[in-house]
Amino acid sequence: GQNIDQPTEMTATEGAIVQINCTYQTSGFNGLFWYQQHAGEAPTFLSYNVLDGLEEKGRFSSFLSRSKGYSYLLLKELQMKDSASYLCAALDSNYQLIWGAGTKLIIKP
Amino acid sequence: GAVVSQHPSRVICKSGTSVKIECRSLDFQATTMFWYRQFPKKSLMLMATSNEGSKATYEQGVEKDKFLINHASLTLSTLTVTSAHPEDSSFYICSARFGTDYGYTFGSGTRLTVV
Repeated sequence: GQNIDQPTEMTATEGAIVQINCTYQTSGFNGLFWYQQHAGEAPTFLSYNVLDGLEEKGRFSSFLSRSKGYSYLLLKELQMKDSASYLCAALDSNYQLIWGAGTKLIIKP
Repeated sequence: GAVVSQHPSRVICKSGTSVKIECRSLDFQATTMFWYRQFPKKSLMLMATSNEGSKATYEQGVEKDKFLINHASLTLSTLTVTSAHPEDSSFYICSARFGTDYGYTFGSGTRLTVV
């Protein structure tokens, strides 16, 4: 079956760095997305990786290893507004998005 | 660019009534629209995929007669929850694929409460 695993909840301190991991098992693979979702709002796009390696975009970076079925989202210089759920989603061979349950990130002052 | 406008953002309706949710792609043509529902603290659950001019494809366990999807144009897809029950209360979100890099954009979501 198809499956996405990511931690349920993480806590970090304002100004610090946090890494949110995601492992996936899908029938075929056409890329991996990270989305941010604040409570009561729709997800917003953060990143898309289809090739191995690290993609950096400001304070956020995303890494992919296709051979390991593994990705992570790295958030630097954490701000209180980064408190949200972070959703990992893999695109399977049919270009369907398979969603993880999301990681709730709590930022403490 | 690539904005999807979803309305209404919140709706409260009585049991047994129907509610229509609209999603419009404002600056691109959405040949495919995805409809999700999300329960509190849960992940997005794909309900159906709608393609312009053809019947929607529903996921297993989703009642097509209850959740009517219409995708009559390249910029508008609608989801109608018919004969709503309290258990239909949820957060409904539409999403469209745009561009050639498989980017997805989401509507702002609709919080449905059935009383």
